[in-house]
Amino acid sequence: KNQVEQSPQSLIILEGKNCTLQCNYTVSPFSNLRWYKQDTGRGPVSLTIMTFSENTKSNGRYTATLDADTKQSSLHITASQLSDSASYICVVSDRGSTLGRLYFGRGTQLTVWP
Amino acid sequence: EADIYQTPRYLVIGTGKKITLECSQTMGHDKMYWYQQDPGMELHLIHYSYGVNSTEKGDLSSESTVSRIRTEHFPLTLESARPSHTSQYLCASTLAVMGTDTQYFGPGTRLTVL
Repeated sequence: KNQVEQSPQSLIILEGKNCTLQCNYTVSPFSNLRWYKQDTGRGPVSLTIMTFSENTKSNGRYTATLDADTKQSSLHITASQLSDSASYICVVSDRGSTLGRLYFGRGTQLTVWP
Repeated sequence: EADIYQTPRYLVIGTGKKITLECSQTMGHDKMYWYQQDPGMELHLIHYSYGVNSTEKGDLSSESTVSRIRTEHFPLTLESARPSHTSQYLCASTLAVMGTDTQYFGPGTRLTVL
C-alpha cells in the first residue's frame, strides 16, 4: 500500500533554533517528493520539489534531503522564526498512472515560541 | 503567490441546503483539483479535471459534483449538505504535465454544516 508517514506529529521549538522533520514513504514507482508549508486556515504552499536523481534542495532557510534508496526525506529548518509556525506536509508523486497521483502525509505541526 | 482564488472562505449552513464552492485561477492551468482535508489529517483528492469538459472522481468518494465549462473556473456543488460534509475544501491547479510541476493551492473554504 502506498503511504507517506511523517514524524514527529507535532514539534515545539524556540525561536532561532534549528529543527528537522522526517518523511518516510512506500510509494512505488517514485517520481518526485515535495514539501509544502500550510499556515493555519490557508492552502499549502510549495517549498521544495526533488526528483529521483536529486538528494538535496534548498529554499532559503529550508533544506530538504532525499534518500531514494531508503525512501526517506527530511526537511531542515535553520534559525527558526515565529512565521515558521505551520504544518509541513510531505507529498510523494508516483509515475504509475497518467494522473501522476499524489500521496499526502498528515503533516508535522511546528510551533515556534519566542 | 499563486493566482488561485476560492470563495467563500468560510460557510456555515443548515442541513439540506444546496451550496456551490467557487474556485478560479488566472494562470491558464489545464489541470485543476478539489481536495478535502479534516483537521490534522492528510488531503484527500475528491475531484480533478484535465481541461474544459473533463472531470473525474478522485480517490475519496464524495457526494459533491464538479463542472469545468471554462479553463479558469472549477466550481464544486453539494446538492444537499449534511453534517458529514463539514470539512475544509482546497482547490488546486497545475500545468498540463504532472511531472515536477508544482500544484498551486487556493486558500480553502471551511464548510460547517449544522
